[in-house]
Amino acid sequence: NAGVTQTPKFQVLKTGQSMTLQCAQDMNHNSMYWYRQDPGMGLRLIYYSASEGTTDKGEVPNGYNVSRLNKREFSLRLESAAPSQTSVYFCASSGLGTGGRTEAFFGQGTRLTVV
Amino acid sequence: DQQVKQNSPSLSVQEGRISILNCDYTNSMFDYFLWYKKYPAEGPTFLISISSIKDKNEDGRFTVFLNKSAKHLSLHIVPSQPGDSAVYFCAASGNFGSWGKLQFGAGTQVVVTP
Repeated sequence: NAGVTQTPKFQVLKTGQSMTLQCAQDMNHNSMYWYRQDPGMGLRLIYYSASEGTTDKGEVPNGYNVSRLNKREFSLRLESAAPSQTSVYFCASSGLGTGGRTEAFFGQGTRLTVV
Repeated sequence: DQQVKQNSPSLSVQEGRISILNCDYTNSMFDYFLWYKKYPAEGPTFLISISSIKDKNEDGRFTVFLNKSAKHLSLHIVPSQPGDSAVYFCAASGNFGSWGKLQFGAGTQVVVTP
């Protein structure tokens, strides 16, 4: 049981380049999320998908787009990378258990550097 | 404007003693609170949670206390072990479209010394 899998683990981009971060979960969760972590700021929500077919902006959506490809997969796209997007990106998923809502499960993260 | 605050960026504690981590929040609509633990180069992992209808939840060495009137929660780790050395994040959620939408604090780095 892999949980939440993110690819790639590391990436260096030049300013203006584009890339897509991939995320897949095998827990049959309805909801998926993208967070970024910056020093001294905890994790901040970029975008989320409450269920398949829906996406919504989080706290810091500017410069990003997302696609909920199916129930398992949720990708994050940077169309034109900027140095301010240098960060560690985490994908997460959550669902409903027998006792109610579950906690969010996180992937291992993607460390992105934009030069 | 940070709605969840962890005012202590670091905490050093001796092995076997109690670690107490604190967290304050401002949004009264939060109804579910979680603690995550994070090791370097790994994703956060869930530790313990508490619903706003409770004031205490215990799981082994970990206990979370919630004081709704003060908008304050704390995590107690007893006894502390070297493997507890990590960054601990406090997080809060409410019915804002998805329960997994979490507001995180900035984290507290815990170092457990022998």
